[in-house]
Amino acid sequence: GAVVSQHPSRVICKSGTSVKIECRSLDFQATTMFWYRQFPKKSLMLMATSNEGSKATYEQGVEKDKFLINHASLTLSTLTVTSAHPEDSSFYICSARGGRQGARETQYFGPGTRLLVL
Amino acid sequence: GENVEQHPSTLSVQEGDSAVIKCTYSDSASNYFPWYKQELGKRPQLIIDIRSNVGEKKDQRIAVTLNKTAKHFSLHITETQPEDSAVYFCAASIPRTGKLIFGQGTTLQVKP
Repeated sequence: GAVVSQHPSRVICKSGTSVKIECRSLDFQATTMFWYRQFPKKSLMLMATSNEGSKATYEQGVEKDKFLINHASLTLSTLTVTSAHPEDSSFYICSARGGRQGARETQYFGPGTRLLVL
Repeated sequence: GENVEQHPSTLSVQEGDSAVIKCTYSDSASNYFPWYKQELGKRPQLIIDIRSNVGEKKDQRIAVTLNKTAKHFSLHITETQPEDSAVYFCAASIPRTGKLIFGQGTTLQVKP
């Protein structure tokens, strides 16, 4: 149990377009999902916390109008990078908290989405 | 807010040797400390975790120790194998939020 999927795995887009990334918990219900950004050879930087049925909570310095998060169901959260620019190119990873195994605080990660903005 | 420091940033050991990675945290209220292993281009995988009500936890070749007083915790890998080569991240929870704050990561290389 505790499998998290993410789609797409890789996306290339033109500057100015918007990109939507989906994060799904496949075998458990996740009331809370998290979105991270990871630069090459760097650590995971928390961008926002996504709670089902409510507005996302963004970390300091993360533009909420730039990174739109929707958590419409207990198994799906989406991150939309609006008007993407080359500096938005990165590895975006989601995680979901819950699952039958482990502590309730345990986060299980999706496989990540590599975004390249040209 | 919570801050997590991780050392060393890189670690190279011979196959069969032990590897130790150390982390310190700043918020004494943190009560959950997971360790993740991330291979290149892959997702972080939980390898072991510990809660603040225990001082040590072991799972085969992997163990984690926690010193609440000193606010530090360590990952111990014994009998290392080449497939243990990866980046390892420690993390500390922020109470009541579910958030995890990650350390900077340690690149472990196990030489055959």
